[in-house]
Amino acid sequence: ELKVEQNPLFLSMQEGKNYTIYCNYSTTSDRLYWYRQDPGKSLESLFVLLSNGAVKQEGRLMASLDTKARLSTLHITAAVHDLSATYFCAVDMEYGNKLVFGAGTILRVKS
Amino acid sequence: DSGVTQTPKHLITATGQRVTLRCSPRSGDLSVYWYQQSLDQGLQFLIQYYNGEERAKGNILERFSAQQFPDLHSELNLSSLELGDSALYFCASGGTVHNEQFFGPGTRLTVL
Repeated sequence: ELKVEQNPLFLSMQEGKNYTIYCNYSTTSDRLYWYRQDPGKSLESLFVLLSNGAVKQEGRLMASLDTKARLSTLHITAAVHDLSATYFCAVDMEYGNKLVFGAGTILRVKS
Repeated sequence: DSGVTQTPKHLITATGQRVTLRCSPRSGDLSVYWYQQSLDQGLQFLIQYYNGEERAKGNILERFSAQQFPDLHSELNLSSLELGDSALYFCASGGTVHNEQFFGPGTRLTVL
C-alpha cells in the first residue's frame, strides 16, 4: 500500500526566513503534486512534478522531485504571511486514478 | 475558481438519514473523483468515474454510492449516516493532462 509522509506536520516561521517541507513516499511513482489549502477552503493545485529531477518554481515556492529517493521538497524562500496555509503533497498511485495524499503541513508565518 | 462546482456547501442532518451530494466537473473533463477529508483520516480517495463508468474505487463504505450521469455531473449518495461520516467531501475533475486534478469547493457534512 502506498504511503505518503510529510514532515514537519506543523511549521511556524518568521517572515523573511527560508524553510523546506519534505514529502516521502513508499512506492515507485514519477508523478507528484503539491496542493495548498486555506482553512475551510478547497485545494488549489500548486505544482505538478512529472519526472526525476523536475523542479518547478512559482513566486516564493519551489518544488522538486527525486524519484530515486522517493522524495519531494517544497522550499519556501523569504516567507510572507500570505503563505500561511496547509500544504499537501500527493502521489499518483495508478495512472489517471486516485491520488494518495500526505497528512499535510500546517504553515504559519509570523510577522 | 477551479471550474468544478459542488452543491450544497453545507449539509446538516441526523444519524440514520440519507443525503446526496452533487458535483459538476470542469467543462471538457470526463473524470470525476470523490474524496473525503476528516481530521482523523485526512484526505481519502473514495471513487472515480470516467465518462459514466466507474473507473477506480478506494476506501468507500458500502453505505456510500456514486454515479455519473450522461451530462457528466456526478452524485455521491451517503446513507444510514453515522456521526463519523461528518467530514468535508470534495469532488475533483481532470485527470486528462498528467492526472492533474482540480478540486471543487467541497460540501461540509455534519451528522448530529
